[in-house]
Amino acid sequence: QVHLVESGGGVVQRGGSLRLSCTASGFTFSDYAMHWVRQAPGRGLEWVAFIRHDGSKAYYGDSVKGRFTVSRDNSKNTLSLQMDSLRPEDTAVYHCAKWSTGVSDWFDPWGQGTLVTVSS
Amino acid sequence: QSALTQPASVSGSPGQSITISCTGTSSDVGRYNFVSWYQHHPDKAPKLMIYDVRRRPSGVSNRFSGSKSGNTASLTISGLQAEDEADYYCCSYVTNNTWMFGGGTKLTVL
Repeated sequence: QVHLVESGGGVVQRGGSLRLSCTASGFTFSDYAMHWVRQAPGRGLEWVAFIRHDGSKAYYGDSVKGRFTVSRDNSKNTLSLQMDSLRPEDTAVYHCAKWSTGVSDWFDPWGQGTLVTVSS
Repeated sequence: QSALTQPASVSGSPGQSITISCTGTSSDVGRYNFVSWYQHHPDKAPKLMIYDVRRRPSGVSNRFSGSKSGNTASLTISGLQAEDEADYYCCSYVTNNTWMFGGGTKLTVL
């Protein structure tokens, strides 16, 4: 059974840093690209970042570009999101999601998420 | 554009059908057949309901269907059930390995 579990969330001050992790199981992690998606309190889903299956290339949403870095360790089935220069508007639940193979397009499954709170 | 446009809320009675629209532009929804829909119950992981505009993953009820016309995609739920009450989000591939979600629609089953 495919399973994704996020960890690393917490409370951090404005300007601080935090590193999130997503541990995958139930599938060959190194075969699949992955996403990070977030949901701020009372807001909708926002796409954050995408990394290719081999980690060779990453892409970011405009609101996090230059501050967040996505990476992966395929030997440990782990996806990471390094978040620097955090702002109060980065407060959100962060989900990781497995991407489809490229012929089709979907995010499935998703992890339950980890909460990041940035205090001002 | 910061998000695809969805109605904030829709409602329907059990057994009825509802449709949720998702409007983008010719650069995203209108350009690619890569629109997906997600059901999100509070404090749970979002669940894939429709992908590639109209394809349904195995295990998803055939009461859920998707379509697209021009820059607007739609999710239709027929035979509404109480368990369908949730937030629904559309998502479209945009370009150069970036994606955009809709603002979300709260479905209330009356």
